[in-house]
Amino acid sequence: GAGVSQTPSNKVTEKGKYVELRCDPISGHTALYWYRQSLGQGPEFLIYFQGTGAADDSGLPNDRFFAVRPEGSVSTLKIQRTERGDSAVYLCASTLSGALAGELFFGEGSRLTVL
Amino acid sequence: KQEVTQIPAALSVPEGENLVLNCSFTDSAIYNLQWFRQDPGKGLTSLLLIQSSQREQTSGRLNASLDKSSGRSTLYIAASQPGDSATYLCAVPKDSGYALNFGKGTSLLVTP
Repeated sequence: GAGVSQTPSNKVTEKGKYVELRCDPISGHTALYWYRQSLGQGPEFLIYFQGTGAADDSGLPNDRFFAVRPEGSVSTLKIQRTERGDSAVYLCASTLSGALAGELFFGEGSRLTVL
Repeated sequence: KQEVTQIPAALSVPEGENLVLNCSFTDSAIYNLQWFRQDPGKGLTSLLLIQSSQREQTSGRLNASLDKSSGRSTLYIAASQPGDSATYLCAVPKDSGYALNFGKGTSLLVTP
């Protein structure tokens, strides 16, 4: 596609529910990142994929968070047993350059609200 | 641990003014620095990427400088316009190099 696409754009769920957020990166970009942004803050790194593998998942806050990228393109961020503190905008980014942090292209984000 | 600070947190200027946004980082061993723009409710758009070997980068009315030794970068916006109103974030690579550490951003309002 022309840009990074994220769905849904908005998700409202109840505490304790399971949520999936999807990211479709720019075609041909091998590196994919998930970030989380709370109100008034900069984006916070969650996980980085190089191809199909998670090269760095050190930013995932706990084991309720998990992400996959089975075919090296689309990625899904999965959150189990959601908590109110998970409410944030989840941003996906991709880049062509791979291991070293190059110019990132961001999607518009998925706004998650946990009631 | 790399920490990024942006000053000021918010800025309001009349149209036509030149302005400077500041970014500082604690670990000077970086190999690049990026400036992004974020409009309300939107994702981030990369504005300028400065490699560690460079001192500055220019794109139109934007000029970003990098001083690694002092851990500082500035984003200069010339002849500001209302369309420049947005939040501006700077970011440097994390220790691993795979991802970015962001500042909290400077919220800019340019009034007509």
